[in-house]
Amino acid sequence: AQSVSQHNHHVILSEAASLELGCNYSYGGTVNLFWYVQYPGQHLQLLLKYFSGDPLVKGIKGFEAEFIKSKFSFNLRKPSVQWSDTAEYFCAVNADYKLSFGAGTTVTVRA
Amino acid sequence: EPEVTQTPSHQVTQMGQEVILRCVPISNHLYFYWYRQILGQKVEFLVSFYNNEISEKSEIFDDQFSVERPDGSNFTLKIRSTKLEDSAMYFCASSARQGEKLFFGSGTQLSVL
Repeated sequence: AQSVSQHNHHVILSEAASLELGCNYSYGGTVNLFWYVQYPGQHLQLLLKYFSGDPLVKGIKGFEAEFIKSKFSFNLRKPSVQWSDTAEYFCAVNADYKLSFGAGTTVTVRA
Repeated sequence: EPEVTQTPSHQVTQMGQEVILRCVPISNHLYFYWYRQILGQKVEFLVSFYNNEISEKSEIFDDQFSVERPDGSNFTLKIRSTKLEDSAMYFCASSARQGEKLFFGSGTQLSVL
């Protein structure tokens, strides 16, 4: 069975700082990779996804993620965060037609 | 953009009672899912449903749980006899094809007292 690991439980940073959230998965076959965001009091929304092709994918709100197959990683980045990026971020891996989520990373951006 | 809708947004029930959580997936989607998120924990897969039958379920999805697509639009999750530990946010999701992007509903917060 696949598993998804997110390295950071809680990240606190200031506005305009750069953000990188780690995600690693364990599965040897073909995967589809996702980052979801959950703003306070709201439901899960898709930030970006990787299915195939260019391993650097760009999503909404200035986020991007890089798929490194050799490292089984799909890290999320944003060069300059805003206060409104405060949210819970979930990495998810779809393998064997089941979506598995990481434990999530709480990101708090201080003004 | 089309969306998945869930009702109610918040359900309060007594331990041992039956609850039905309702979802209306996106109309042309064929794959349906339930996930749950206990407060402070990760999002957990419960069950997937396709062609009027369960295609996969997790160990959480025991005999107390059942899913149904009673008509062409609704997708329901029933918990037969709720326990305190069933308190969670329950998310419905649907996708057009297997393995593709899931569209999530806004969730139903279930509180078991």
